[in-house]
Amino acid sequence: KAGVTQTPRYLIKTRGQQVTLSCSPISGHRSVSWYQQTPGQGLQFLFEYFSETQRNKGNFPGRFSGRQFSNSRSEMNVSTLELGDSALYLCASSLEGRVYEQYFGPGTRLTVT
Amino acid sequence: AQRVTQPEKLLSVFKGAPVELKCNYSYSGSPELFWYVQYSRQRLQLLLRHISRESIKGFTADLNKGETSFHLKKPFAQEEDSAMYYCAPSLYNTNAGKSTFGDGTTLTVKP
Repeated sequence: KAGVTQTPRYLIKTRGQQVTLSCSPISGHRSVSWYQQTPGQGLQFLFEYFSETQRNKGNFPGRFSGRQFSNSRSEMNVSTLELGDSALYLCASSLEGRVYEQYFGPGTRLTVT
Repeated sequence: AQRVTQPEKLLSVFKGAPVELKCNYSYSGSPELFWYVQYSRQRLQLLLRHISRESIKGFTADLNKGETSFHLKKPFAQEEDSAMYYCAPSLYNTNAGKSTFGDGTTLTVKP
């Protein structure tokens, strides 16, 4: 099976702009989770989607939002970008009933200038 | 709330030496714990699940409920083991707002 894919792989934006990141899970995986990885904060959970519904949410401001489509593909949106949003954004998918066993994508490297 | 702590940010050993990466947890119920690994320029991947009690790439991890630990061990480290290792609880028992994963330990195996 193909692994989790994320697009784009690299992105440069300026402060105040918004950005949309995309994630395609492994075929058959209906749970998609998003994480932010930074050198200072490590791996921080953003949210998890299952069957087009947000099922879990981390402690990030409302500028961070997401959605999931009927084919389980997911998008994450960050509005009004701040310098501190520069990070590697990881998407992970998992099977229903095995949501703890996550398969990660390569990530999208977002740089905010 | 379900929390994990990895007390060592950096760990360095020589090739052939034993290695132990520490993970401590605080749980209100039965824990579900995992180790993930991220090699240089590769994606984060699942290494071990505590319920499987398996050995992957020579690594083992035993859940010690008395010490509330889930340390990752390997008797003879290899250079290719150099990577970032994360201890992680089940997603559904995380304390919302806290890091789902431990802070990670960077393991360097020197020749």
